[in-house]
Amino acid sequence: SAVISQKPSRDICQRGTSLTIQCQVDSQVTMMFWYRQQPGQSLTLIATANQGSEATYESGFVIDKFPISRPNLTFSTLTVSNMSPEDSSIYLCSVEDIVLGELFFGEGSRLTVL
Amino acid sequence: TQLLEQSPQFLSIQEGENLTVYCNSSSVFSSLQWYRQEPGEGPVLLVTVVTGGEVKKLKRLTFQFGDARKDSSLHITAAQPGDTGLYLCAGLREGGSYIPTFGRGTSLIVHP
Repeated sequence: SAVISQKPSRDICQRGTSLTIQCQVDSQVTMMFWYRQQPGQSLTLIATANQGSEATYESGFVIDKFPISRPNLTFSTLTVSNMSPEDSSIYLCSVEDIVLGELFFGEGSRLTVL
Repeated sequence: TQLLEQSPQFLSIQEGENLTVYCNSSSVFSSLQWYRQEPGEGPVLLVTVVTGGEVKKLKRLTFQFGDARKDSSLHITAAQPGDTGLYLCAGLREGGSYIPTFGRGTSLIVHP
């Protein structure tokens, strides 16, 4: 299993500002995933963060809006840029245990944009 | 359109009642997982089903994978307040990405 810590756990932000969410894993992992969970919606994959290369973004998500860093095998950041109220959501960091075939999630970062 | 449809979306019941949550799709999945998410936490895996018709039990929770591997159900017997949470089904498509597709979830509240 993996223990994942996210910061901040919640924040209230002003429209037009940017916020960076940090994700720390207690073990080295090849891929880290960033999800968005909007009220009443399913978990939606934003991007896959690979160490040493650019993140791979899913349809509907772009690097300019959600820049991602992956400086090493235990850490990643997701920035939500130029925020609008529509970006209000829970953002979740996740890693996969390939052997178990299971995703482990951080506790999430709840963003409210005013 | 949602690949995985979960129903009901909300469920509010009294302690001791039984309930069933459904996860349906027109697509075939190589495996299907159920996660539970409590407020302020990330989802935690409950079970993975991989064989059509498979039934798995986890204490008072019974999970079933449809024969055609397009649907699944979660049945909770004698629900307790500790069962309160968001239940998410997630499917891995045959020949598709290793990243699961999630349903919208069923929000369950069990009142004491």
